[in-house]
Amino acid sequence: ELKVEQNPLFLSMQEGKNYTIYCNYSTTSDRLYWYRQDPGKSLESLFVLLSNGAVKQEGRLMASLDTKARLSTLHITAAVHDLSATYFCAVNQGAQKLVFGQGTRLTINP
Amino acid sequence: GAVVSQHPSWVICKSGTSVKIECRSLDFQATTMFWYRQFPKQSLMLMATSNEGSKATYEQGVEKDKFLINHASLTLSTLTVTSAHPEDSSFYICSASRAGTNTEAFFGQGTRLTVV
Repeated sequence: ELKVEQNPLFLSMQEGKNYTIYCNYSTTSDRLYWYRQDPGKSLESLFVLLSNGAVKQEGRLMASLDTKARLSTLHITAAVHDLSATYFCAVNQGAQKLVFGQGTRLTINP
Repeated sequence: GAVVSQHPSWVICKSGTSVKIECRSLDFQATTMFWYRQFPKQSLMLMATSNEGSKATYEQGVEKDKFLINHASLTLSTLTVTSAHPEDSSFYICSASRAGTNTEAFFGQGTRLTVV
């Protein structure tokens, strides 16, 4: 059974700082997703990572994938308040079925 | 990206009644749609996989007679919560994928169900 674990689950940080969220998964998968969720809202797709060594960047967020270690990271650079949200990673379990991590609740303080 | 629309965005119903939630793919055909449930401050849990023209596949622990899924066309899947109870109150989110393997899933806006 595929398990997806994120850490940390809660993260409070100051604006301007850098931090990394980790996503580990237990079995081989061909793609990994990162999503953002604001309170009361659905998921917003951030990144799709398809291959070992894949790195994608959008603004202050950068995601990477190491399929051998079954690890993905979401790095936040010079955080700003607008990035406060809950971030989920999700991994494919056969075809299009997704298994989600527990989510990381990120709070960025001025 | 493709657009998936859920309706309603929120609904309040009385215990014992049934509620139908619709999930539509607006600009593509979706042979497969997924229904997730999210309790407050928790992650998304897959409830069932909805396949056009065939019976849905339910995850372990999800009652198929309580959560009725119909996927009658390539653009519409519905989830009916029957005989709703307060513990069914949750955020329900659907996703849809284009035909073909390993295609990205697109999420609806979610439906907040409150059973009183």
